[in-house]
Amino acid sequence: QLQLQESGPGLVKPSETLSLTCSVSGASISDSSSYWAWIRQSPGKGLEWIGSVYFRGSTHNNPSLKSRLTISIDTSKNQFFLKLRSVTAADTALYFCARVTTGFDAFDIWGQGTMVNVSS
Amino acid sequence: DIQMTQSPSSMSASVGDRVTITCRASQSIGSWLAWYQQKSGKAPKLLISRASTLQSGVPSRFSGSGSGTVFTLTISSLQPEDFATYYCQQGNSFPRTFGQGTKLEIK
Repeated sequence: QLQLQESGPGLVKPSETLSLTCSVSGASISDSSSYWAWIRQSPGKGLEWIGSVYFRGSTHNNPSLKSRLTISIDTSKNQFFLKLRSVTAADTALYFCARVTTGFDAFDIWGQGTMVNVSS
Repeated sequence: DIQMTQSPSSMSASVGDRVTITCRASQSIGSWLAWYQQKSGKAPKLLISRASTLQSGVPSRFSGSGSGTVFTLTISSLQPEDFATYYCQQGNSFPRTFGQGTKLEIK
């Protein structure tokens, strides 16, 4: 069955770049009936959509992060990626990757999440 | 951006109770509304999409209704495993947005 797994550093220094990878197994990331997303949750807070990427590489990004954010995809590796530049303590969060099935536009499969702390 | 507002923000209830959570959108989103359940430290679980479509494997005590700007999630008879935080999310337009959550606690 489809599984998603986030990976990346758990600690990033302020002003540096946060880089995460989501590895997809059990299905092709090129499936045209799906697209892929990053979502985060600050400690004790609610859920924030970061952005989404389609298998051809087009993206939708949260305007609140847009100038710092790059989301990309590598279909040959069945992975997609998040890069967030110039991080601050406000970017400390549990980061999730997820699948969206087109036609439902809900996050139906999630990774377990990876905690990223921004601290010197 | 479409703002999603849930009510109540928290509530307490007993096993066997019928519970309703409301989600209001700041503008019409048709039926592009999903509900999630999240337990502490875990990834959210999709319960309902398209306002009323129950995900495979989700117990039938969960149901969703509504369209336009007002939506409800109903749990017909609370079970011990249902105590969690629930979120709504709109899929009508970008940026996708979530409600602030409703924490359901044991009375």
